[in-house]
Amino acid sequence: DIVMTQSPLSLPVTPGEPASISCRSSQSLLHSTGYNFLNWYLQKPGQSPQLLIYLGSNRASGVPDRFRGSGSGTDFTLKISRVEAEDVGVYYCMQAQQTPPTFGPGTKVDIK
Amino acid sequence: EVQVLESGGGLVQPGGSLRLSCAASGFTFSSYDMSWVRLAPGKGLEWVSGISGSGATTYYADSVKGRFTISRDNSKNTLYLQMSSLRAEDTAVYYCAKGRYNWKEPDYWGQGTLVTVSS
Repeated sequence: DIVMTQSPLSLPVTPGEPASISCRSSQSLLHSTGYNFLNWYLQKPGQSPQLLIYLGSNRASGVPDRFRGSGSGTDFTLKISRVEAEDVGVYYCMQAQQTPPTFGPGTKVDIK
Repeated sequence: EVQVLESGGGLVQPGGSLRLSCAASGFTFSSYDMSWVRLAPGKGLEWVSGISGSGATTYYADSVKGRFTISRDNSKNTLYLQMSSLRAEDTAVYYCAKGRYNWKEPDYWGQGTLVTVSS
């Protein structure tokens, strides 16, 4: 199975400031089509996970443009340009390149 | 609006069985793969099972293979997860999720249903 790691695991943030989460995979997520099968999800407190980014860098419907996904191969990053209070929760990266799909351990983002 | 709504969770003894259901609306159910993902207490998300839009192809995590069965009734827009030989480590919130492109890429998730395996 592909192992996903994230850093940091805990991220205190200040509203209005940028934030960044790193995700690494044990194998390349770059498909022959040229797409990276890497998604980002946010699980807000008391809610179900929501898709933020798919194929490494594509924002899902309704996701604010302050969220940006980047990277290729085995190294990926989720950046929030200016954190808002509503962005708190646990962020997960997930690979969909191989079966079974696997998730990172999660990065808990909260307000300082 | 896409909606998926799980039901059927509850308390069950080790070795027991439970069937989860997921009612879908707001999209052409038969055209999309679906999956189940769980979140155990104090742990991260774990993919459990996936199924193609037609129901012809199914996939399971090794941790549930041989014990869980995923199925769907496209005439009822409903996804199922039959769970048997349940263990304490199956205790989790189970989420039903619609596949974005295929079952490996969940996009819309339900609110989850809690399964507790305990004597």
